[in-house]
Amino acid sequence: GAVVSQHPSWVICKSGTSVKIECRSLDFQATTMFWYRQFPKQSLMLMATSNEGSKATYEQGVEKDKFLINHASLTLSTLTVTSAHPEDSSFYICSARAGPGLAGAWTYEQYFGPGTRLTVT
Amino acid sequence: KQEVTQIPAALSVPEGENLVLNCSFTDSAIYNLQWFRQDPGKGLTSLLLIQSSQREQTSGRLNASLDKSSGRSTLYIAASQPGDSATYLCAVLNDYKLSFGAGTTVTVRA
Repeated sequence: GAVVSQHPSWVICKSGTSVKIECRSLDFQATTMFWYRQFPKQSLMLMATSNEGSKATYEQGVEKDKFLINHASLTLSTLTVTSAHPEDSSFYICSARAGPGLAGAWTYEQYFGPGTRLTVT
Repeated sequence: KQEVTQIPAALSVPEGENLVLNCSFTDSAIYNLQWFRQDPGKGLTSLLLIQSSQREQTSGRLNASLDKSSGRSTLYIAASQPGDSATYLCAVLNDYKLSFGAGTTVTVRA
């Protein structure tokens, strides 16, 4: 149980275009999802927290107009990188936290997706 | 702001040797601490989660200890195998957010 998927697993796009990454909780409802970014040889940095049905909360230094997050349902959150540039090339990982009443919810454990490698040329 | 430090940054050992990975954090008001494994170009695999009220967790050859008051955790991997080669990340949960260390990259030589 507690499987999170991401699509696509890798994407190459041209500078100036936008790309959307999907994060799905496959076997549980996730009231909260998180988006992280990881540069080579570095650790994960939290970009934003998204709650179903409300606006995402962005971490300091993350441009909300550039990284659009939508959490329209309890099983799907999307991250859209708008007007992508080479410096946006990175590994993007999402995670999902089980909703109240579900096994594991009380631990606040996050379940991670496999990541999406974005390369902007 | 929570800061998580992992030492050493890299470790190379012969097969069969025990591994000791260290993690320290600055804010002891954590809810839990988690150890993850990450293979190159892949996502995270959760290894162990220790609640703030616990002192240790064990799973197979893995044992993780937590000393919340001193802001430290140690991951022990017994009888290492080449398949244990990966980057190990430590993360702590504060204010519903996870803060990650930079990881320890482990190489187990056959």
